[in-house]
Amino acid sequence: GAVVSQHPSRVICKSGTSVKIECRSLDFQATTMFWYRQFPKKSLMLMATSNEGSKATYEQGVEKDKFLINHASLTLSTLTVTSAHPEDSSFYICSALHQETQYFGPGTRLLVL
Amino acid sequence: GNSVTQMEGPVTLSEEAFLTINCTYTATGYPSLFWYVQYPGEGLQLLLKATKADDKGSNKGFEATYRKETTSFHLEKGSVQVSDSAVYFCALSDRDGNKLVFGAGTILRVKS
Repeated sequence: GAVVSQHPSRVICKSGTSVKIECRSLDFQATTMFWYRQFPKKSLMLMATSNEGSKATYEQGVEKDKFLINHASLTLSTLTVTSAHPEDSSFYICSALHQETQYFGPGTRLLVL
Repeated sequence: GNSVTQMEGPVTLSEEAFLTINCTYTATGYPSLFWYVQYPGEGLQLLLKATKADDKGSNKGFEATYRKETTSFHLEKGSVQVSDSAVYFCALSDRDGNKLVFGAGTILRVKS
């Protein structure tokens, strides 16, 4: 139980385009989901907390207009990287909260050329 | 604020050796404690957790005990396998919002 999926697993895009990443809880409903970014050989950096039916809460230093988060249902949150640039290349991981424990998706590798 | 400190790696062991990865924390209140494992190119998998003092979490031969007196949650395994090679993250969760605070991660390499 408590399975979280992400799509796509890898994406390559051109600079200036937007990319949408989906995070789904497959066997439970999640009022709260989280989005993280992970740099090579580093720990996870929390970007934002996504709450179903309300606006996301962004961590300090994260541009909310650049990283758009939508949590329209109890099983789906999306992260859209708008006008992506090479410095946005990273590994993006989502998690979903279930019984006070975060369960993580497999991650999305984004490469912006 | 809350913080988690893990031993620096990489930790390199031979197969069947005993593993300890140290983790200590600083927190206000009574956090829940977690160990997550990350295999190359993948997301994090919950390995085990403990929600109160003296609780022992265990899974797949791994164990960790929530020690409030030493503010520690050390990960142990009696006999490691090559397949245990991964990055291990210790984390705590504040009960207000359930945000996780991660340690820096410890790379474990097991040689056959």
